[in-house]
Amino acid sequence: GDSVTQTEGPVTVSESESLIINCTYSATSIAYPNLFWYVRYPGEGLQLLLKVITAGQKGSSRGFEATYNKETTSFHLQKASVQESDSAVYYCALGSSNTNKVVFGTGTRLQVLP
Amino acid sequence: AQTIHQWPVAEIKAVGSPLSLGCTIKGKSSPNLYWYWQATGGTLQQLFYSITVGQVESVVQLNLSASRPKDDQFILSTEKLLLSHSGFYLCAWSLGVENTLYFGAGTRLSVL
Repeated sequence: GDSVTQTEGPVTVSESESLIINCTYSATSIAYPNLFWYVRYPGEGLQLLLKVITAGQKGSSRGFEATYNKETTSFHLQKASVQESDSAVYYCALGSSNTNKVVFGTGTRLQVLP
Repeated sequence: AQTIHQWPVAEIKAVGSPLSLGCTIKGKSSPNLYWYWQATGGTLQQLFYSITVGQVESVVQLNLSASRPKDDQFILSTEKLLLSHSGFYLCAWSLGVENTLYFGAGTRLSVL
């Protein structure tokens, strides 16, 4: 079936360090997957961080970037310099407009130390 | 602006008791609606989705049912709760073909 595998947390980094959270996907029933990163900040609801619907394209938001790599079936989340306010749980997700199904990874808790 | 409201915020229920969770979306016509569930320490699992009033598709069987009585309302229910139903329930909506989901604040359910 369709699935998403992402870096197991918690991930702890110091402020101003770089970050990468790995995400790989398997889309056995989806011909043209849409890829997403969602984030849940402490005390807030789950919200979209960025999305990419075309292979080879890059999405960016709030200093985070992710490139849709169809060859390696990956969608890693990166940031050059994290801030304490980036502390949150990050979810990689795989969607399909054909089936109205969106599959989430297990989530990665990020803690940024001051 | 679109708003999504879930109720209740939290519930503590006994095993075997009935359950009804609700979700209302305002400011969007004919959205796709979804129910997700997350067990403590687990991943988000899609339970149901609906693309129109009266039609609901089941994705995962968890002895739960869902209904869409109105265009802007989505209900999750069961007649008999199990311990395994405990967790966090999220309602979401989307439009169009990109599946971008917009989530409610969620309902935390504890079954004792």
